[in-house]
Amino acid sequence: AQKVTQAQTEISVVEKEDVTLDCVYETRDTTYYLFWYKQPPSGELVFLIRRNSFDEQNEISGRYSWNFQKSTSSFNFTITASQVVDSAVYFCALANDYKLSFGAGTTVTVRA
Amino acid sequence: DAGVIQSPRHEVTEMGQEVTLRCKPISGHDYLFWYRQTMMRGLELLIYFNNNVPIDDSGMPEDRFSAKMPNASFSTLKIQPSEPRDSAVYFCASSNLDRDEQYFGPGTRLTVT
Repeated sequence: AQKVTQAQTEISVVEKEDVTLDCVYETRDTTYYLFWYKQPPSGELVFLIRRNSFDEQNEISGRYSWNFQKSTSSFNFTITASQVVDSAVYFCALANDYKLSFGAGTTVTVRA
Repeated sequence: DAGVIQSPRHEVTEMGQEVTLRCKPISGHDYLFWYRQTMMRGLELLIYFNNNVPIDDSGMPEDRFSAKMPNASFSTLKIQPSEPRDSAVYFCASSNLDRDEQYFGPGTRLTVT
């Protein structure tokens, strides 16, 4: 069975602070994909990143960065210099053979 | 590309009524997924199709739920009869051969009173 745990339910920061979202996953598969999605207040789900299980290289995209550590089954997400527009629910997800299993989500609130 | 299109965006209906949710996937995508999002259970996969054929419907909660994909550009999720516990946001997503990268529609917020 696959499981994704996002232990942080809510995080509140002041603008320009960095924020790190934790994601821990469980799977017996050797090949799998990890994702992060953003759900802003408007409700849509926005794809942010995909990582496959064989690529542990960290990635940076603008103010977003991801740290994948297979040894600890973690795929953490950092927003650097947060902005009010970053306020959203962020979901970590695990996929193998088509099915996406989502974590419960972390609500990020960035205050001006 | 227009992205995944869902209609209606909001639906309010009375218990016992039939509800039909619609989805148009991204052109060229041959996988289509239906998800449900609730506060209690989060995001759950209900069913997915490949080339219009249902592959896995193990997430469909009960027989009141049914989904069809009559062609590559259209799918429906039907609830008959609807119940208040069906109230949720229903998302449709699609992907191509790179099937694990799914693109989501805006969702349909269903309220059953």
